[in-house]
Amino acid sequence: LAKITQPISMDSYEGQEVNITCSHNNIATNDYITWYQQFPSQGPRFIIQGYKTKVTNEVASLFIPADRKSSTLSLPRVSLSDTAVYYCLVGGSGGGADGLTFGKGTHLIIQP
Amino acid sequence: EPEVTQTPSHQVTQMGQEVILRCVPISNHLYFYWYRQILGQKVEFLVSFYNNEISEKSEIFDDQFSVERPDGSNFTLKIRSTKLEDSAMYFCASSDKLVSTDTQYFGPGTRLTVL
Repeated sequence: LAKITQPISMDSYEGQEVNITCSHNNIATNDYITWYQQFPSQGPRFIIQGYKTKVTNEVASLFIPADRKSSTLSLPRVSLSDTAVYYCLVGGSGGGADGLTFGKGTHLIIQP
Repeated sequence: EPEVTQTPSHQVTQMGQEVILRCVPISNHLYFYWYRQILGQKVEFLVSFYNNEISEKSEIFDDQFSVERPDGSNFTLKIRSTKLEDSAMYFCASSDKLVSTDTQYFGPGTRLTVL
């Protein structure tokens, strides 16, 4: 199981770009990197997933260097509603039945 | 956009009582999951279910817990004799693993309060 390290908390302001970096030194060859977002009293919500290089969708971008030992979730022009916990997950190579392993995540607080 | 739904949103029960938490996964998904999150703590995996049987379960998922897919749409989690420490948010999730890995879609959760 890959050991995940991500900041416990981050602060930013509306309109700024926020980058959250996750370290996963012992990522396995077949593992994917997936980010989830969770608001208080709600279920986690899938944001983005990638294997290598860069992935972009309507919500975020995910940057993965060639060695895949870290990844960076980039949220462009954040708003107050982006205040949430963001989880970096590594895995998925084991097949469809695998339960997800969540860490403590990064508490992102966006201020006006 | 299809969503996972869960009922009830909040369940209050007495210690020792049985509770059934209900979930309707996204209709074309093949894998189903239950997670729990005790207040202020991490989301914890309980069990996964595929092809009408349990695929994987965690240490938390002991004999007090059971899951069932009683018909083509519902997926339930039963706790036979609730304990105070079962108080938590319970999230159902579903996935179509034919498309990608680790992309699970979570429901809004059921808050279980055991008194």
